[in-house]
Amino acid sequence: RKEVEQDPGPFNVPEGATVAFNCTYSNSASQSFFWYRQDCRKEPKLLMSVYSSGNEDGRFTAQLNRASQYISLLIRDSKLSDSATYLCVVTLPKAGGGNKLTFGTGTQLKVEL
Amino acid sequence: DTEVTQTPKHLVMGMTNKKSLKCEQHMGHRAMYWYKQKAKKPPELMFVYSYEKLSINESVPSRFSPECPNSSLLNLHLHALQPEDSALYLCASSQSGTASYEQYFGPGTRLTVT
Repeated sequence: RKEVEQDPGPFNVPEGATVAFNCTYSNSASQSFFWYRQDCRKEPKLLMSVYSSGNEDGRFTAQLNRASQYISLLIRDSKLSDSATYLCVVTLPKAGGGNKLTFGTGTQLKVEL
Repeated sequence: DTEVTQTPKHLVMGMTNKKSLKCEQHMGHRAMYWYKQKAKKPPELMFVYSYEKLSINESVPSRFSPECPNSSLLNLHLHALQPEDSALYLCASSQSGTASYEQYFGPGTRLTVT
């Protein structure tokens, strides 16, 4: 089983739609959670951190369910500029100490007119 | 606009060449990272420096040699690479090496090994 799993998509949605992405992680000792977006041939950019209480930033809402080891991202009123790959990122403890970011394979979103 | 810069943006090198990738951050972060990303795959961690000391090496072949001259700079020295090493090499930094801090990425160096 992969450490972090995402539906690769693509999700093709019309402008203005609401779209939700899900992510599951396998290690219950995971500590921190993030969503990044990556445009084609660009670097990943931090979209938001994810907290157990849930958090919202404008049109974006992230939720964490530790019991189910599940993270979600909701995008409301989607814009053409939201088209990108969305990466679920989990910080996993490393054998011998330390932590590292582990990326899901990403979910591709295409917002269309 | 990223505050992590990387040079060069593109690099083509032969299998016998020696080259270096450079990364600089201006955010006062104390942890820096090298990642490798192949097309349509997520970034894979290579090295982590925390307070200028190598803290994680993800079993990277010795033809990749990292160096952290100071807390703002990170280099990746390349020697005798293989064509399969062609990829996007991303540098990142975070406030410290602990789990809770977000990482910020540079624009990457697109490396082609011929």
